[in-house]
Amino acid sequence: GAGVSQSPRYKVAKRGQDVALRCDPISGHVSLFWYQQALGQGPEFLTYFQNEAQLDKSGLPSDRFFAERPEGSVSTLKIQRTQQEDSAVYLCASSLFYNEQFFGPGTRLTVL
Amino acid sequence: GENVEQHPSTLSVQEGDSAVIKCTYSDSASNYFPWYKQELGKRPQLIIDIRSNVGEKKDQRIAVTLNKTAKHFSLHITETQPEDSAVYFCAAEWTTDSWGKFQFGAGTQVVVTP
Repeated sequence: GAGVSQSPRYKVAKRGQDVALRCDPISGHVSLFWYQQALGQGPEFLTYFQNEAQLDKSGLPSDRFFAERPEGSVSTLKIQRTQQEDSAVYLCASSLFYNEQFFGPGTRLTVL
Repeated sequence: GENVEQHPSTLSVQEGDSAVIKCTYSDSASNYFPWYKQELGKRPQLIIDIRSNVGEKKDQRIAVTLNKTAKHFSLHITETQPEDSAVYFCAAEWTTDSWGKFQFGAGTQVVVTP
């Protein structure tokens, strides 16, 4: 079956623009995670969904970051008024409940 | 919260030699420890994992050991090959009733020279 997919793969935004990043998890996976990966670093947790419920958003860096998963499958991470420090790779991962997480290819966001 | 430290940050080995990467964690409640391999521009791929009720696990040339008392776990790659060159991340998961949260190490860049 298909793995986790993300779109777009690359996004260039001017500072101040809003962006939306999409994640399609593996079908049937209850858990969905968003991570931010800076160059040369490990993934940093942003937020977690269990089905449509956002159970943890403690990693979101500011109130400019917002995530949703309205029907418990596809998720969107939105960043408003992008800043240069938002430049990173945004990874999505899904899992059945806990333990093994399967990652998507990521979206590389560059804010100019 | 959990804190994971990973060493070394870079590791160069000759083809055929062994590579060892070590991670320490802080939260004794952590009970699942995966290792991911990430090639340049690619997604992290799970290569091996271990649960807290097991001390060692092996899969062909890759093995992971866990010392719960000392709160550290290690990845061992034997007979390294050029295709083992990548960044390797360890992680520790701590769980609530219904979900688990990963804390990743900073990564180890492994370079295998022919």
